[in-house]
Amino acid sequence: QKEVEQDPGPLSVPEGAIVSLNCTYSNSAFQYFMWYRQYSRKGPELLMYTYSSGNKEDGRFTAQVDKSSKYISLFIRDSQPSDSATYLCAIEGSGNTPLVFGKGTRLSVIA
Amino acid sequence: NAGVMQNPRHLVRRRGQEARLRCSPMKGHSHVYWYRQLPEEGLKFMVYLQKENIIDESGMPKERFSAEFPKEGPSILRIQQVVRGDSAAYFCASSTSQTDTQYFGPGTRLTVL
Repeated sequence: QKEVEQDPGPLSVPEGAIVSLNCTYSNSAFQYFMWYRQYSRKGPELLMYTYSSGNKEDGRFTAQVDKSSKYISLFIRDSQPSDSATYLCAIEGSGNTPLVFGKGTRLSVIA
Repeated sequence: NAGVMQNPRHLVRRRGQEARLRCSPMKGHSHVYWYRQLPEEGLKFMVYLQKENIIDESGMPKERFSAEFPKEGPSILRIQQVVRGDSAAYFCASSTSQTDTQYFGPGTRLTVL
């Protein structure tokens, strides 16, 4: 079983839709959860950073962590064509272990 | 404040040649991480360095790959005797501490002919 599983998509939605992106992980020692956005031919850009179970909101983005199910989600409200990118979940252990990334989900928001 | 800088952005090498990838961290950052992204794959950790020290190289291939972060100058990822399977995007990230957020550079895309 891989440490982090993420559906690669592609996911195509109309403008204005709510987007749900998800990852599952296997190691309960993971404590820090991040979502990165990567535009084509660019480096990843940090979107959200969470530590505990629950929700964290930033503008149109909401990150959700369920440690009991080992499941993390990113919701995008009122999606825009500019949100079209690959979204990578990343998970970290205690701080002495490197980031583990999912494969990324490619999202297209159609105007 | 300039972000993480990587050069070259694109690098073409023939099999057997050496590839040198450079990374200048953000100002004030002394922790550098290298990742490799193969086509249709996620980012894979390679090595974590602080100034003049390799902290974790558990993701580095045992042969042909080496990394350094000297006291002065950028971090260097060196790949000797490149093979076609080394073709990938190599990303560098930096942070202020081991537990702080990592900020990524634009990457170097290596193509081995």
